[in-house]
Amino acid sequence: EDQVTQSPEALRLQEGESSSLNCSYTVSGLRGLFWYRQDPGKGPEFLFTLYSAGEEKEKERLKATLTKKESFLHITAPKPEDSATYLCAVQDSGNQFYFGTGTSLTVIP
Amino acid sequence: DAGVTQSPTHLIKTRGQQVTLRCSPKSGHDTVSWYQQALGQGPQFIFQYYEEEERQRGNFPDRFSGHQFPNYSSELNVNALLLGDSALYLCASSAVHTGELFFGEGSRLTVL
Repeated sequence: EDQVTQSPEALRLQEGESSSLNCSYTVSGLRGLFWYRQDPGKGPEFLFTLYSAGEEKEKERLKATLTKKESFLHITAPKPEDSATYLCAVQDSGNQFYFGTGTSLTVIP
Repeated sequence: DAGVTQSPTHLIKTRGQQVTLRCSPKSGHDTVSWYQQALGQGPQFIFQYYEEEERQRGNFPDRFSGHQFPNYSSELNVNALLLGDSALYLCASSAVHTGELFFGEGSRLTVL
């Protein structure tokens, strides 16, 4: 069965303290791995799509990487406005999406 | 360019009632998917509509049904509401040949 596991569940960082979020997955035929940001009470906001191992994408202070079994979302010098829940999802060969439970990030000024 | 829009944003129902949620996809998108997100959980796939037909379905009972209209907008209907149906219901649209899902702000359903 396709599964997505995110760790840690929650992360508190001081402003400027870089860190990484992990997304490990098992999927039958990966078509894509997606990262989303979700603010409380809002819908997820699309960040990145990764398609193959070794691929990297960057946007401002965020960088996503992909291996055959996991993906990392690296946050460099985070700011308080980066506080949110970060969701990882995989799309399998049947075109279905499976989401992890997310990592709740809090950046303290 | 309007993104995905959902209505209503919040609603309260009692057990046994029925609810209809509505979604208009992002311009240029023809596929609509519905997700249920319980508090502290990731979104769970309910079903997907393309060309006015249900194409895929997640592990949800038949109380959950939907519809897609010729203009690609969609409805989610839930019958015989249970307390456990309380959640944020998210609509996501995509173009059939691309992967990215774009989500609306969701409809927060509370069942009392």
